[in-house]
Amino acid sequence: NAGVTQTPKFQVLKTGQSMTLQCAQDMNHEYMSWYRQDPGMGLRLIHYSVGAGITDQGEVPNGYNVSRSTTEDFPLRLLSAAPSQTSVYFCASSPRRGLTYEQYFGPGTRLTVT
Amino acid sequence: AQSVTQLDSHVSVSEGTPVLLRCNYSSSYSPSLFWYVQHPNKGLQLLLKYTSAATLVKGINGFEAEFKKSETSFHLTKPSAHMSDAAEYFCVVSGGNRDDKIIFGKGTRLHILP
Repeated sequence: NAGVTQTPKFQVLKTGQSMTLQCAQDMNHEYMSWYRQDPGMGLRLIHYSVGAGITDQGEVPNGYNVSRSTTEDFPLRLLSAAPSQTSVYFCASSPRRGLTYEQYFGPGTRLTVT
Repeated sequence: AQSVTQLDSHVSVSEGTPVLLRCNYSSSYSPSLFWYVQHPNKGLQLLLKYTSAATLVKGINGFEAEFKKSETSFHLTKPSAHMSDAAEYFCVVSGGNRDDKIIFGKGTRLHILP
């Protein structure tokens, strides 16, 4: 049981490039989400999904796309990278959307956009 | 709307002395409250959670928190700090309103002095 896995661990992009951050969980969790963490800002929700085929926007969705074709995978796409997207990205999952459930976090992807 | 405020961005304590990390929340409805810990270059891990059962909640590694509705607080405490407690701690509120948002505090970095 690997929990929540994220790849890559580190990435450097040039402005305008696109890329996909991968996230997978093997706990059969319905709810998955993406956060970005910036110094002094806590974690901010980018997008989330309550099940396969269903996604919705969080607090800071601009510049990012997601899809959820399977229960296990929830990739995050940067369409045209900007320096403002330099951040640490965390994927998380929980059994279902009910807000008493704890979230399980991946180890993070550190992204730098130059 | 709901919100969460962590009153200190940095806290320093000596090893063996008590730890107090303060968190205040605002919510129109009965919230669920969580504390997560993030060790350097790691993902977040659940320390403890309050979901309207006992107001004193015990977590991992000797931490506990008390839900005080009258003070809208959920402070995290530990009787005796250990060097391994050095990390960033996040207070999280959720489920407090119909929008079902999960709100992270901005974090408190705990430093342990030898």
